[in-house]
Amino acid sequence: IAGITQAPTSQILAAGRRMTLRCTQDMRHNAMYWYRQDLGLGLRLIHYSNTAGTTGKGEVPDGYSVSRANTDDFPLTLASAVPSQTSVYFCASSREENNEQFFGPGTRLTVL
Amino acid sequence: GQNIDQPTEMTATEGAIVQINCTYQTSGFNGLFWYQQHAGEAPTFLSYNVLDGLEEKGRFSSFLSRSKGYSYLLLKELQMKDSASYLCAASDSNYQLIWGAGTKLIIKP
Repeated sequence: IAGITQAPTSQILAAGRRMTLRCTQDMRHNAMYWYRQDLGLGLRLIHYSNTAGTTGKGEVPDGYSVSRANTDDFPLTLASAVPSQTSVYFCASSREENNEQFFGPGTRLTVL
Repeated sequence: GQNIDQPTEMTATEGAIVQINCTYQTSGFNGLFWYQQHAGEAPTFLSYNVLDGLEEKGRFSSFLSRSKGYSYLLLKELQMKDSASYLCAASDSNYQLIWGAGTKLIIKP
């Protein structure tokens, strides 16, 4: 692979279900991010990781959790999905914080 | 609070020049990014300004005034493929990006 990948591409999920969105990068970037993008709103940061083994909360972290066990992978978990979590989710990475961010293709999630 | 303002939509003609403005208010400032996002796709990086002034990169230029909390993206010789949303994002004191809602640019022949 080259760059940053996300899976699944899209998903319809029943409310209350647990879901993990996957993100993998092969650029050996230290920093990784999860955003959600909703119509009429800017990208909003959910969680971030400046380096493997560390994570931090962004602007809208409630209902989401992340882990960064290694450099390449940064999964996002919704413990119990709610309809307000219907959105397009983008994973991104950068060599260091405050560098150009490279985005994955996104996951379109619908919670019913 | 932290805030980014940019116009919702702009229309321009193929071959012309368009300027997309962005004003920002952040707690601390570590630079201003512009990204391009085509419909249904991921954002891609266009430019980064941290010092006052104009940065030129081919048909695209970006300007920053830190004292005014203001930036603009200038697109010259517009092409149909430039139809996209343009996202302004300011880096705050924690190096987190605060994003504007984006400006949808429509190019007409």
